[in-house]
Amino acid sequence: GQQVMQIPQYQHVQEGEDFTTYCNSSTTLSNIQWYKQRPGGHPVFLIQLVKSGEVKKQKRLTFQFGEAKKNSSLHITATQTTDVGTYFCAGTNKTFGEGTQLTVNP
Amino acid sequence: DTAVSQTPKYLVTQMGNDKSIKCEQNLGHDTMYWYKQDSKKFLKIMFSYNNKELIINETVPNRFSPKSPDKAHLNLHINSLELGDSAVYFCASSQGIQMWKTNYGYTFGSGTRLTVV
Repeated sequence: GQQVMQIPQYQHVQEGEDFTTYCNSSTTLSNIQWYKQRPGGHPVFLIQLVKSGEVKKQKRLTFQFGEAKKNSSLHITATQTTDVGTYFCAGTNKTFGEGTQLTVNP
Repeated sequence: DTAVSQTPKYLVTQMGNDKSIKCEQNLGHDTMYWYKQDSKKFLKIMFSYNNKELIINETVPNRFSPKSPDKAHLNLHINSLELGDSAVYFCASSQGIQMWKTNYGYTFGSGTRLTVV
């Protein structure tokens, strides 16, 4: 079945540094979604990308969908302590990536 | 006015017991799911129901049995609990299966932390 791989598994940054997590699929995706889960919380939907090469922004967060619709990235500019959590991508058949756990040192 | 609510929030039980987790959504969604999140944060889909009909049943031991009395409710019953069942179980809902046709993702409940001792 469809596999969605996400890297890195962990990322530690200093506040103010940038952060990127990558999601790669073995097959072409119809869409990709991104979620954030705060420590002790539940995943919260951030955004969905559908079109090849699509780029969407939410304040300091930039989401990209690859031209071949097999990969995606989430980039956070100038991280803040409120960005702490696990970021997941999710592919077409409800498969979630393994998540990237982000910690931000103040 | 919680969108997706799960009960109980915490569940501690002994091996061999049978337990149930309940989930209700008031979003009017037609599709509901159960996900299991292990200690490494990996989210794995277990079941999916669309309009009360089972549409996804991943490789899950048959000790796990979902039930959807109506499209707003999806319960999970677990028989003969084992240590390896300890995890956080999330209920989620969405409008439709083909979510690329909408701009909405899953709405998750707050989770049920199950500990089997």
